[in-house]
Amino acid sequence: DAGVIQSPRHEVTEMGQEVTLRCKPISGHNSLFWYRQTMMRGLELLIYFNNNVPIDDSGMPEDRFSAKMPNASFSTLKIQPSEPRDSAVYFCASSFQGAGNQPQHFGDGTRLSIL
Amino acid sequence: KQEVTQIPAALSVPEGENLVLNCSFTDSAIYNLQWFRQDPGKGLTSLLLIQSSQREQTSGRLNASLDKSSGRSTLYIAASQPGDSATYLCAVVCGVDTGRRALTFGSGTRLQVQP
Repeated sequence: DAGVIQSPRHEVTEMGQEVTLRCKPISGHNSLFWYRQTMMRGLELLIYFNNNVPIDDSGMPEDRFSAKMPNASFSTLKIQPSEPRDSAVYFCASSFQGAGNQPQHFGDGTRLSIL
Repeated sequence: KQEVTQIPAALSVPEGENLVLNCSFTDSAIYNLQWFRQDPGKGLTSLLLIQSSQREQTSGRLNASLDKSSGRSTLYIAASQPGDSATYLCAVVCGVDTGRRALTFGSGTRLQVQP
């Protein structure tokens, strides 16, 4: 079974450029999460979708960050304009949220470096 | 605001030892608790999920316990092997009544098993 697929795996770009990260959740999952991992702050939630609707975006740092989920099989996280402090590993995770508890499954992440 | 703490931050043991990793959380109103493993440069692999109504879960050489009232969980690894070397992360889902299902992570325990 295919897991959560993220692209690109690595992105290096210059400050001020637009960055788009992509995620394909596991088929059948109805919840999708974007997390960011840094040495200083560890893993933190950015935004969470349920049935393609944003439920919690309290972790989105500022207006430079935006996320969309146009359908159940695709999500994007966009940073515009990017800044060096955005450098981190960005993870996408998905799960099925129904009557019971289900674990979140993570992609391999996108390692983002803003120069 | 939920805070998750993991002790110790790092642990080095000889192969074959049994070991315990600790996780504590400040708000006992959790939906579930999940243990993950992260290898260097990789994503997170889900190890065990304990529902709020459960006391423990087992998978092979791994056993995770949950004491909601005291805000604690432990991950027990039996007969450790060099392949167990990784960072182990504890995470909780809060918001029993709000439907929010995002994870709040601890900072992890970096485990090294010496051959």
